[in-house]
Amino acid sequence: EIVLTQSPGTLSLSPGERATLSCRASQSVSSSYLAWYQQKPGQAPRLLIYGASSRATGIPDRFSGSGSGTDFTLTISRLEPGDFAVYYCQQYGSSPWTFGQGTKVEIK
Amino acid sequence: EVQLVQSGAEVKKPGESLRISCKGSGYNFNSYWINWVRQMPGKGLEWMGRIDPSDSDIKYSPSFQGHVTISADESISTAYLQWSSLKASDTAMYYCARFSVRGVIIPFDNWGQGTLVTVSS
Repeated sequence: EIVLTQSPGTLSLSPGERATLSCRASQSVSSSYLAWYQQKPGQAPRLLIYGASSRATGIPDRFSGSGSGTDFTLTISRLEPGDFAVYYCQQYGSSPWTFGQGTKVEIK
Repeated sequence: EVQLVQSGAEVKKPGESLRISCKGSGYNFNSYWINWVRQMPGKGLEWMGRIDPSDSDIKYSPSFQGHVTISADESISTAYLQWSSLKASDTAMYYCARFSVRGVIIPFDNWGQGTLVTVSS
Protein backbone atom coordinates (compact mmCIF):
# COMPACT_ATOMS: atom_id res chain seq x y z
CA GLU A 1 0.00 0.00 0.00
CA ILE A 2 1.30 3.43 -0.93
CA VAL A 3 1.44 5.79 2.07
CA LEU A 4 1.01 9.50 1.30
CA THR A 5 2.48 11.99 3.74
CA GLN A 6 1.32 15.60 3.49
CA SER A 7 3.17 18.59 4.88
CA PRO A 8 2.78 20.83 6.66
CA GLY A 9 -0.10 19.69 8.82
CA THR A 10 -1.36 23.26 9.11
CA LEU A 11 -0.49 26.31 7.02
CA SER A 12 -1.33 29.75 8.45
CA LEU A 13 -1.47 32.38 5.73
CA SER A 14 -3.24 35.62 4.86
CA PRO A 15 -5.53 36.24 1.87
CA GLY A 16 -3.45 37.12 -1.18
CA GLU A 17 -0.49 35.02 -0.10
CA ARG A 18 0.85 31.97 -1.92
CA ALA A 19 0.25 28.50 -0.47
CA THR A 20 2.52 25.56 -1.21
CA LEU A 21 1.35 22.12 -0.07
CA SER A 22 3.45 18.98 -0.31
CA CYS A 23 2.50 15.33 -0.78
CA ARG A 24 5.19 12.67 -0.60
CA ALA A 25 4.55 9.03 -1.54
CA SER A 26 6.24 5.98 -0.03
CA GLN A 27 6.60 4.51 -3.55
CA SER A 28 6.47 5.96 -7.03
CA VAL A 29 2.93 6.87 -8.09
CA SER A 30 2.06 5.07 -11.30
CA SER A 31 1.45 7.29 -14.35
CA SER A 32 1.31 10.37 -12.09
CA TYR A 33 -2.15 9.27 -10.97
CA LEU A 34 -2.17 11.83 -8.17
CA ALA A 35 -5.16 14.01 -7.32
CA TRP A 36 -5.84 16.89 -4.94
CA TYR A 37 -9.14 17.63 -3.19
CA GLN A 38 -10.46 20.53 -1.16
CA GLN A 39 -12.85 19.96 1.73
CA LYS A 40 -14.66 22.67 3.65
CA PRO A 41 -16.43 22.01 6.97
CA GLY A 42 -19.72 20.17 6.52
CA GLN A 43 -19.16 19.61 2.80
CA ALA A 44 -18.09 16.76 0.58
CA PRO A 45 -14.60 16.98 -0.90
CA ARG A 46 -14.17 18.67 -4.29
CA LEU A 47 -11.73 17.54 -6.96
CA LEU A 48 -9.17 20.23 -7.81
CA ILE A 49 -6.35 18.49 -9.68
CA TYR A 50 -5.96 15.07 -11.32
CA GLY A 51 -3.10 13.46 -13.19
CA ALA A 52 -0.78 15.51 -10.95
CA SER A 53 -1.28 18.72 -12.95
CA SER A 54 -4.63 18.81 -14.78
CA ARG A 55 -7.24 21.15 -13.34
CA ALA A 56 -10.73 19.71 -12.91
CA THR A 57 -13.69 21.38 -14.58
CA GLY A 58 -14.45 24.80 -13.15
CA ILE A 59 -11.31 25.05 -11.01
CA PRO A 60 -9.68 28.50 -11.24
CA ASP A 61 -6.15 28.78 -12.57
CA ARG A 62 -4.77 30.02 -9.25
CA PHE A 63 -4.73 26.31 -8.33
CA SER A 64 -1.89 24.35 -9.91
CA GLY A 65 -0.36 20.94 -9.39
CA SER A 66 3.08 19.63 -10.17
CA GLY A 67 5.40 16.74 -9.49
CA SER A 68 6.03 13.15 -10.45
CA GLY A 69 7.34 9.93 -8.96
CA THR A 70 7.12 10.37 -5.21
CA ASP A 71 6.97 14.15 -4.76
CA PHE A 72 3.97 16.29 -5.61
CA THR A 73 2.94 19.87 -4.88
CA LEU A 74 -0.29 21.83 -4.88
CA THR A 75 0.18 25.58 -5.24
CA ILE A 76 -2.48 28.21 -4.66
CA SER A 77 -1.02 31.38 -6.17
CA ARG A 78 -3.11 33.97 -4.32
CA LEU A 79 -5.32 32.80 -1.50
CA GLU A 80 -8.90 33.96 -1.55
CA PRO A 81 -11.22 33.78 1.50
CA GLY A 82 -12.97 30.69 0.11
CA ASP A 83 -9.69 28.78 -0.20
CA PHE A 84 -9.25 28.30 3.55
CA ALA A 85 -10.03 24.62 3.94
CA VAL A 86 -8.45 21.17 4.28
CA TYR A 87 -6.63 19.75 1.27
CA TYR A 88 -6.04 16.06 0.61
CA CYS A 89 -3.86 14.33 -1.93
CA GLN A 90 -4.81 10.90 -3.27
CA GLN A 91 -3.05 8.32 -5.40
CA TYR A 92 -5.18 6.18 -7.71
CA GLY A 93 -2.46 4.39 -9.63
CA SER A 94 -2.06 1.44 -7.31
CA SER A 95 -4.73 -0.42 -5.38
CA PRO A 96 -5.66 0.20 -2.66
CA TRP A 97 -6.08 3.85 -3.55
CA THR A 98 -4.94 5.99 -0.65
CA PHE A 99 -5.28 9.53 0.68
CA GLY A 100 -2.87 11.69 2.57
CA GLN A 101 -3.80 12.82 6.07
CA GLY A 102 -4.61 16.35 4.91
CA THR A 103 -3.21 19.86 5.21
CA LYS A 104 -5.34 22.55 6.82
CA VAL A 105 -4.94 26.01 5.32
CA GLU A 106 -6.09 28.52 7.92
CA ILE A 107 -6.35 32.27 8.06
CA LYS A 108 -3.41 33.88 9.83
CA GLU B 1 -26.53 18.23 -14.18
CA VAL B 2 -24.57 15.33 -12.75
CA GLN B 3 -25.76 14.39 -9.28
CA LEU B 4 -25.07 11.66 -6.76
CA VAL B 5 -27.78 11.67 -4.11
CA GLN B 6 -27.26 9.59 -1.01
CA SER B 7 -29.79 8.22 1.44
CA GLY B 8 -30.39 9.96 4.73
CA ALA B 9 -28.67 9.78 8.09
CA GLU B 10 -29.00 6.57 10.08
CA VAL B 11 -28.86 5.79 13.80
CA LYS B 12 -28.34 2.12 14.56
CA LYS B 13 -27.42 -0.15 17.44
CA PRO B 14 -24.36 -2.42 17.47
CA GLY B 15 -25.07 -5.71 15.74
CA GLU B 16 -27.78 -4.29 13.48
CA SER B 17 -27.59 -4.42 9.70
CA LEU B 18 -27.70 -1.44 7.38
CA ARG B 19 -27.69 -0.58 3.70
CA ILE B 20 -27.14 2.96 2.42
CA SER B 21 -27.57 4.09 -1.15
CA CYS B 22 -26.19 6.44 -3.77
CA LYS B 23 -28.32 7.31 -6.80
CA GLY B 24 -26.73 8.78 -9.90
CA SER B 25 -28.45 11.06 -12.37
CA GLY B 26 -27.53 13.33 -15.26
CA TYR B 27 -25.02 10.90 -16.78
CA ASN B 28 -24.65 7.33 -18.02
CA PHE B 29 -24.44 5.46 -14.71
CA ASN B 30 -22.78 2.44 -16.33
CA SER B 31 -19.87 4.49 -17.66
CA TYR B 32 -18.37 5.40 -14.29
CA TRP B 33 -17.18 3.40 -11.32
CA ILE B 34 -18.83 4.27 -8.01
CA ASN B 35 -16.54 4.48 -5.02
CA TRP B 36 -17.24 4.60 -1.30
CA VAL B 37 -15.15 6.75 1.05
CA ARG B 38 -15.27 6.80 4.85
CA GLN B 39 -14.58 9.84 7.01
CA MET B 40 -14.60 9.19 10.72
CA PRO B 41 -15.40 12.16 13.00
CA GLY B 42 -12.66 14.77 12.76
CA LYS B 43 -10.49 12.52 10.60
CA GLY B 44 -9.34 12.15 7.02
CA LEU B 45 -10.61 10.29 3.97
CA GLU B 46 -10.35 6.52 3.53
CA TRP B 47 -11.11 4.69 0.30
CA MET B 48 -13.28 1.65 0.99
CA GLY B 49 -13.82 0.16 -2.44
CA ARG B 50 -15.48 0.60 -5.82
CA ILE B 51 -17.88 -1.05 -8.18
CA ASP B 52 -18.18 -0.99 -11.96
CA PRO B 53 -21.97 -0.90 -12.46
CA SER B 54 -21.67 -2.22 -16.03
CA ASP B 55 -20.47 -5.65 -14.91
CA SER B 56 -20.60 -5.47 -11.08
CA ASP B 57 -16.85 -5.93 -10.85
CA ILE B 58 -15.89 -4.94 -7.29
CA LYS B 59 -12.60 -4.03 -5.66
CA TYR B 60 -12.26 -3.57 -1.90
CA SER B 61 -9.55 -1.94 0.13
CA PRO B 62 -7.98 -4.67 2.31
CA SER B 63 -8.91 -2.52 5.33
CA PHE B 64 -12.61 -2.98 4.57
CA GLN B 65 -12.71 -6.37 2.82
CA GLY B 66 -15.07 -8.67 4.71
CA HIS B 67 -16.56 -5.83 6.78
CA VAL B 68 -18.79 -4.24 4.14
CA THR B 69 -20.47 -5.23 0.89
CA ILE B 70 -20.68 -3.01 -2.16
CA SER B 71 -23.32 -3.60 -4.81
CA ALA B 72 -25.21 -1.78 -7.54
CA ASP B 73 -28.50 -1.95 -9.45
CA GLU B 74 -27.86 -0.43 -12.86
CA SER B 75 -31.58 -0.50 -13.70
CA ILE B 76 -32.18 2.25 -11.13
CA SER B 77 -28.70 3.86 -11.31
CA THR B 78 -28.05 3.15 -7.66
CA ALA B 79 -25.06 1.84 -5.74
CA TYR B 80 -25.16 0.46 -2.21
CA LEU B 81 -22.92 0.01 0.80
CA GLN B 82 -24.06 -2.45 3.42
CA TRP B 83 -23.10 -3.91 6.76
CA SER B 84 -24.42 -7.15 8.25
CA SER B 85 -23.39 -6.35 11.82
CA LEU B 86 -22.53 -2.77 12.73
CA LYS B 87 -19.99 -1.78 15.34
CA ALA B 88 -19.60 1.49 17.21
CA SER B 89 -16.40 2.04 15.24
CA ASP B 90 -18.48 2.22 12.03
CA THR B 91 -19.75 5.63 13.15
CA ALA B 92 -18.68 7.94 10.35
CA MET B 93 -19.73 9.95 7.33
CA TYR B 94 -19.82 7.85 4.18
CA TYR B 95 -19.47 9.40 0.74
CA CYS B 96 -19.97 7.95 -2.71
CA ALA B 97 -18.01 9.39 -5.62
CA ARG B 98 -17.80 8.53 -9.31
CA PHE B 99 -14.62 7.70 -11.21
CA SER B 100 -14.24 8.00 -14.98
CA VAL B 101 -12.33 5.14 -16.57
CA ARG B 102 -13.61 5.37 -20.12
CA GLY B 103 -11.59 7.91 -22.09
CA VAL B 104 -9.75 10.32 -19.84
CA ILE B 105 -9.18 8.83 -16.39
CA ILE B 106 -10.61 11.31 -13.88
CA PRO B 107 -10.99 10.32 -10.26
CA PHE B 108 -13.81 11.32 -7.94
CA ASP B 109 -15.05 14.30 -9.96
CA ASN B 110 -18.51 14.21 -8.43
CA TRP B 111 -19.42 13.29 -4.87
CA GLY B 112 -22.61 12.53 -3.01
CA GLN B 113 -23.58 14.76 -0.12
CA GLY B 114 -22.63 12.08 2.41
CA THR B 115 -24.59 9.76 4.71
CA LEU B 116 -23.91 10.04 8.42
CA VAL B 117 -24.06 6.66 10.15
CA THR B 118 -24.16 6.66 13.95
CA VAL B 119 -23.86 3.36 15.79
CA SER B 120 -24.60 3.57 19.48
CA SER B 121 -26.23 1.44 22.14
